[in-house]
Amino acid sequence: GAVVSQHPSRVICKSGTSVKIECRSLDFQATTMFWYRQFPKKSLMLMATSNEGSKATYEQGVEKDKFLINHASLTLSTLTVTSAHPEDSSFYICSARGTSGPDTQYFGPGTRLTVL
Amino acid sequence: GQNIDQPTEMTATEGAIVQINCTYQTSGFNGLFWYQQHAGEAPTFLSYNVLDGLEEKGRFSSFLSRSKGYSYLLLKELQMKDSASYLCAAKDSNYQLIWGAGTKLIIKP
Repeated sequence: GAVVSQHPSRVICKSGTSVKIECRSLDFQATTMFWYRQFPKKSLMLMATSNEGSKATYEQGVEKDKFLINHASLTLSTLTVTSAHPEDSSFYICSARGTSGPDTQYFGPGTRLTVL
Repeated sequence: GQNIDQPTEMTATEGAIVQINCTYQTSGFNGLFWYQQHAGEAPTFLSYNVLDGLEEKGRFSSFLSRSKGYSYLLLKELQMKDSASYLCAAKDSNYQLIWGAGTKLIIKP
C-alpha cells in the first residue's frame, strides 16, 4: 500500500517551454501532497504544499507564477514549470501524506527535468 | 532557526555495523523520520520515532532522545545494497518536515 506514481520520469525540453509533472496516489487518498526539488548531492528542498481543492502554499523564494500547482482531486496533483530555463533543471519529487499511521510521507519516484 | 545535522559521508565494511547520527533543532517536535535514498531515486521510508527509545525493524534500528535532540540509525549486517544516502527529518510544531542534507553511506567489500 501507499504507492505514489509520478509522470514523466524523465523529460528534456527546450528553454521557454512549459512542462507538466503529474503526481498520483495510487491506493490511497491524499488530501495533502508536497513538491520537492533536489539538486545533486543536496537535500530535499520543499517547494510547496498542495491541499486538495485549495491553493497551494509556497515556500519562501519559490515563484508561484513559475511553478504552478494544481491539486484537483484526492489522488492527483500537478506541477507545471512554466517558461522553463536551464537553471530549472533538477530532480523534482512529489510526496503524499498517508491517511493512517505516523503521518508518513510517501514519495513518488521523481522526475528528472533537463532544460536545454 | 531550525536545523538538522548529520555527517556528510560514512564508509563501512560489508557485514559490519554502522551508526548514523542526527541532531536536530526545531520549533517544537512531532517526530523524527529516517529515509533511504539511492542515487537517482526518490526517498523511501525507513523508520519513525516520536517517543524516546529504540525502534527495531529487522537489520535497521532507530533511536531517539528528545531531551538531547538526537537520533541515530543503526544498520546491522551491512550489505552492498545498503549503499545509499540516509536522510534524517524532524517534524516541527507545524507538522512540517525539516530535512537534513543526508549521509552518504559507502559500503566496501
